[in-house]
Amino acid sequence: DQQVKQNSPSLSVQEGRISILNCDYTNSMFDYFLWYKKYPAEGPTFLISISSIKDKNEDGRFTVFLNKSAKHLSLHIVPSQPGDSAVYFCAARAPGTYKYIFGTGTRLKVLA
Amino acid sequence: NAGVTQTPKFQVLKTGQSMTLQCAQDMNHNSMYWYRQDPGMGLRLIYYSASEGTTDKGEVPNGYNVSRLNKREFSLRLESAAPSQTSVYFCASSPTLRGNEQFFGPGTRLTVL
Repeated sequence: DQQVKQNSPSLSVQEGRISILNCDYTNSMFDYFLWYKKYPAEGPTFLISISSIKDKNEDGRFTVFLNKSAKHLSLHIVPSQPGDSAVYFCAARAPGTYKYIFGTGTRLKVLA
Repeated sequence: NAGVTQTPKFQVLKTGQSMTLQCAQDMNHNSMYWYRQDPGMGLRLIYYSASEGTTDKGEVPNGYNVSRLNKREFSLRLESAAPSQTSVYFCASSPTLRGNEQFFGPGTRLTVL
């Protein structure tokens, strides 16, 4: 059973517009969430994180929102740029553990 | 400062062959991890090492062994490769075991025929 789900395998957005990537999880005890970006033939790189005690975290063009009651988080990229075209993974950590459970990823394509 | 390096980048094995995937980090991190990524699935943890001298199983350890040679190096060994082990393997490191950010290497693409 997939505890962390990214239900949209792909997303296309026009340059300059907002990209919204979604992630749902099943375990309400997850206490920390991460977003990674991955380019082809490279390892994932860390983008942004959020603790379960917060509902929003911003870093430049990237904002992560956490809705605990819905067990849902989203990554907003504004404005989207062609260089943002990549696969985005969300990951969630169970409390008291080191383990992150990764979603299956969403491929974002930003069209120039 | 190279970060996390992995060798080889690509490898093709025949069923039953053995090989070792190498990983090294130069960030003085305590914790290191091995993941595999398969199509349509997220990254899954194979083994991890909280600190030099310790290793533990992750979600999918069967068919693999690991060695934490020193603080810098963490190797993954396939003793008898199987087609189900065809995957992309990523090594990662973090300052602490419960570190919020893991730094990944570029990956090794392994095909087992």
